[in-house]
Amino acid sequence: DTGVSQDPRHKITKRGQNVTFRCDPISEHNRLYWYRQTLGQGPEFLTYFQNEAQLEKSRLLSDRFSAERPKGSFSTLEIQRTEQGDSAMYLCASSPDTGELFFGEGSRLTVL
Amino acid sequence: AQSVTQLDSHVSVSEGTPVLLRCNYSSSYSPSLFWYVQHPNKGLQLLLKYTSAATLVKGINGFEAEFKKSETSFHLTKPSAHMSDAAEYFCVVSERIRGKSTFGDGTTLTVKP
Repeated sequence: DTGVSQDPRHKITKRGQNVTFRCDPISEHNRLYWYRQTLGQGPEFLTYFQNEAQLEKSRLLSDRFSAERPKGSFSTLEIQRTEQGDSAMYLCASSPDTGELFFGEGSRLTVL
Repeated sequence: AQSVTQLDSHVSVSEGTPVLLRCNYSSSYSPSLFWYVQHPNKGLQLLLKYTSAATLVKGINGFEAEFKKSETSFHLTKPSAHMSDAAEYFCVVSERIRGKSTFGDGTTLTVKP
């Protein structure tokens, strides 16, 4: 399968724990995006990368969130000291220069 | 700055009747516009895109959208709804150079038999 893959698909954690999500984009895509989606809402932009450079980070993102894309390939999104409000679906997408987004299936986070 | 407003949070149609999902956008740049569909418990899938070529864009599954710059609109249409069209639809505006995409809040389409 040459689509975008995300891991894990589901994560249940206790408040205060750290979690990390991984995204493997389509290999020839140089842009990679992270979005967050909660029930009844559209995906909310978190951050994006052009190759290994993180070009923008949402102002809504607290400093507990950090994302990396070493070597411009896969990306990780880490959430430190999780809170119940972090419970959501975390979506990764990659994009060629033409702009359309190719999404993974998402990583669902539940914080107890 | 850019934003998207989907004018209807829910649309209900009968099978075989036309579908209209409305979207207005705002962008400081010459935008690219997209429609995505999300079926329950499935990932987001691209329906169609506008990137400054023809203003009437055809997508998958019989959907079309027309870019109207004067009205800053990009409404999604389909002549005849099918039960399988029931899903959540998102209108998206993207800055071509920076590549940042902004989603609307979505429109839930219900198709009645």
